[in-house]
Amino acid sequence: AQSVTQPDIHITVSEGASLELRCNYSYGATPYLFWYVQSPGQGLQLLLKYFSGDTLVQGIKGFEAEFKRSQSSFNLRKPSVHWSDAAEYFCAVGPILTGGGNKLTFGTGTQLKVEL
Amino acid sequence: DSGVTQTPKHLITATGQRVTLRCSPRSGDLSVYWYQQSLDQGLQFLIQYYNGEERAKGNILERFSAQQFPDLHSELNLSSLELGDSALYFCASSGDRGTEAFFGQGTRLTVV
Repeated sequence: AQSVTQPDIHITVSEGASLELRCNYSYGATPYLFWYVQSPGQGLQLLLKYFSGDTLVQGIKGFEAEFKRSQSSFNLRKPSVHWSDAAEYFCAVGPILTGGGNKLTFGTGTQLKVEL
Repeated sequence: DSGVTQTPKHLITATGQRVTLRCSPRSGDLSVYWYQQSLDQGLQFLIQYYNGEERAKGNILERFSAQQFPDLHSELNLSSLELGDSALYFCASSGDRGTEAFFGQGTRLTVV
């Protein structure tokens, strides 16, 4: 069964500091990996995704993530955090189902607080 | 704006009642997914429909059902509601070749 672990429930960083959010996955085949962000009262917005190819993927809002198969990890990074990045971040893994689309298994999320 | 529309945004109802949540997918998307987000269970996949047919099922209670209509909108029906059903219910959609899901803003259900 597929699973995702986000070991950090809460993270606090200062504005302008770098950020790394950890994600470890368990999946029996080649994983399809995603990072989503949820701002208070909002839906989930896709930051980036990895399907194959280059293991370093770029996303929106200056985020990037690196897929490391040997470590079963897909950590999210940002070189300089902005106060508007405060939100909850979810890592997800999923297969590609027949007919398109995917059934996602989410981690428990990491709540990011940004100190000014 | 993801292009996925969910109504209503908020819903308060009593235990034992039945409610219907509605989702309009992005234009042209054939797949619709329902997810439940609660404090104790996190984000859980409930069910997927593809072009009107049920395609995958997750942790969906028997009291819950869903359908996708010919115009591709979907409804999630929750019956015999319990306090524990209080949660944020998300709908997401993806296209036939799309590999990512686009989420709506969610419907916050409160059962009192």
